[in-house]
Amino acid sequence: QVQLVESGGGVVQPGKSLRLSCVASGFTFNYYGMHWVRQAPGKGLEWVAIISYDGGDKHYGDSVRGRFTISRDNSKNTLYLQVNSLRAEDTSVYYCARGADGYIDYWGRGTLVSVSS
Amino acid sequence: QSALTQPASVSGSPGQSITISCTGTTSDIGAYNYVSWYQQHPGKAPKLMIYDVSDRPSGVSTRFSGSKSGNTASLTISGLQAEDEADYYCSSSATSSTLVFGGGTKLTVL
Repeated sequence: QVQLVESGGGVVQPGKSLRLSCVASGFTFNYYGMHWVRQAPGKGLEWVAIISYDGGDKHYGDSVRGRFTISRDNSKNTLYLQVNSLRAEDTSVYYCARGADGYIDYWGRGTLVSVSS
Repeated sequence: QSALTQPASVSGSPGQSITISCTGTTSDIGAYNYVSWYQQHPGKAPKLMIYDVSDRPSGVSTRFSGSKSGNTASLTISGLQAEDEADYYCSSSATSSTLVFGGGTKLTVL
């Protein structure tokens, strides 16, 4: 079965960086585009970024463009999100998700990033 | 990339039907037949309930249905059950690659 397991979250000071990881299993990873979606505490879902199946095409949400970088290593079945210049408003659960045509069909359980001094 | 507009809350009694609306623009819902709906229980990851406006993934109850007219999509849940109480989010393609979500709707089963 499809499994997506995120890691790398934690408490970090404003202005610092983190790298989130997502290990995929149960499907052919290099066939699928992958997303990151985040959810601030008590708030709704916010789409963050997408990367194509081969890593050649990437797109970002307006609030993270220029600070976050999505990447993947198909040899390791792993998706990454490099998050730089963190702000308090970046505090969220970050979900890794498998992309289908125009929607997300599977989600991981998420990893919490808390930005606080 | 403005969020799609959903009502903050809806409620219904067991056995009733409810409909959640999701309003976008000609750049997202109006431009693509790629509307999806997700159910999220507290502390859990979202779950896909509807994709491509009205298709159900395998395993999702037929009580869930979706539709779209112009810039507005809708999710209808018939025969409401206690387990349906959750947050529901709509989503649409905003470009050929990107997505936009609605603000979410809290469904209360009375």
